[in-house]
Amino acid sequence: GAVVSQHPSWVICKSGTSVKIECRSLDFQATTMFWYRQFPKQSLMLMATSNEGSKATYEQGVEKDKFLINHASLTLSTLTVTSAHPEDSSFYICSVRGLGGDTGELFFGEGSRLTVL
Amino acid sequence: GQNIDQPTEMTATEGAIVQINCTYQTSGFNGLFWYQQHAGEAPTFLSYNVLDGLEEKGRFSSFLSRSKGYSYLLLKELQMKDSASYLCAVTDSNYQLIWGAGTKLIIKP
Repeated sequence: GAVVSQHPSWVICKSGTSVKIECRSLDFQATTMFWYRQFPKQSLMLMATSNEGSKATYEQGVEKDKFLINHASLTLSTLTVTSAHPEDSSFYICSVRGLGGDTGELFFGEGSRLTVL
Repeated sequence: GQNIDQPTEMTATEGAIVQINCTYQTSGFNGLFWYQQHAGEAPTFLSYNVLDGLEEKGRFSSFLSRSKGYSYLLLKELQMKDSASYLCAVTDSNYQLIWGAGTKLIIKP
């Protein structure tokens, strides 16, 4: 299956600063990547769908100006949390869909745990 | 609305068998996934069911009944490393993935 790598795994930042998280598909060209957020003891929540070469599609309630997504190549998507606040502290996970198109399994990155002080 | 229900937490004994149930109400159905998620880690794929019946893969099996909107994940010969959360997810008619809240499985010696 696809190998997906995220960086950084852990990040601590001060309130008001911006944080960039990278998601790389190491062995698979992904025109679409998915960004999820997971709060403690809760399920995955889809934030946005990242589309290579075009604008990301955001889920309802997710601020596109706060969570900037760039998918400049078939192997890299980035999520930038701008002007982070403590309530943005969460586990951010990216994923790509494997062979099988819309019904293919998702392969997840290792996740990035953001703590905003 | 769309909804997936699974128990919040289950406890089982090492070496035993446990069944984790999942019921769903979604707009259409294009397959059901089970994922395993250890604390602090990303989910990993366990199984995929799109047709009714039982899919067996080693110690893990997954069952689907589309008419009942029901699935279960069966774990046999439980090991301590099976302690994790198990997430049920359904692909709806728009190929959107709807996630359950997960079942935390605690294995006791």
